[in-house]
Amino acid sequence: DQQVKQNSPSLSVQEGRISILNCDYTNSMFDYFLWYKKYPAEGPTFLISISSIKDKNEDGRFTVFLNKSAKHLSLHIVPSQPGDSAVYFCAAKANRRGNTPLVFGKGTRLSVIA
Amino acid sequence: DTGVSQNPRHKITKRGQNVTFRCDPISEHNRLYWYRQTLGQGPEFLTYFQNEAQLEKSRLLSDRFSAERPKGSFSTLEIQRTEQGDSAMYLCASSLALEGQGEGYTFGSGTRLTVV
Repeated sequence: DQQVKQNSPSLSVQEGRISILNCDYTNSMFDYFLWYKKYPAEGPTFLISISSIKDKNEDGRFTVFLNKSAKHLSLHIVPSQPGDSAVYFCAAKANRRGNTPLVFGKGTRLSVIA
Repeated sequence: DTGVSQNPRHKITKRGQNVTFRCDPISEHNRLYWYRQTLGQGPEFLTYFQNEAQLEKSRLLSDRFSAERPKGSFSTLEIQRTEQGDSAMYLCASSLALEGQGEGYTFGSGTRLTVV
């Protein structure tokens, strides 16, 4: 059973436009959510996180939105740049109520076209 | 400290052989995680250590797999009698777990295992 789901395997966006990557989760114990970016032949790199006590976190061009009632989060990248082309993984864990290892989605491959 | 280091980067082995991978975490991090990633999938949890104690193992970790973290520093992951299905990228991550704070993992570049 997939506890973290990224239903779009790929996404193409033009340079300068907004990229929106979506993620759904099923485990109501999850209270900490992260996005990782991965280039080929490298390990995932941390991008941005959000705790369940917030509904938005912003870091430069990257913003993560959390909708707890819908068990949905999204990553917005504005403006998108060619260097953003990579696979993006959504991950979640229970943090305050016990520790669970990060659970990852299958990833979304973002292609930013110049 | 240059981050999480994994060796070797690539390993090709014949079916039935044993292999061992090493992970050197960020020195002040108290938790160390092993994940496995196959094509088209996200990283899947295998096991983790808090200091030298192995606290959790996934059902994915068959009895052919063993992990150690002696003295709470580096860790090794050994696979005995490798099978073709073991071919994957093996990722190590470390973190500093503090009470009540979010825990982000820092990943190494991984060890790509190919079983022929």
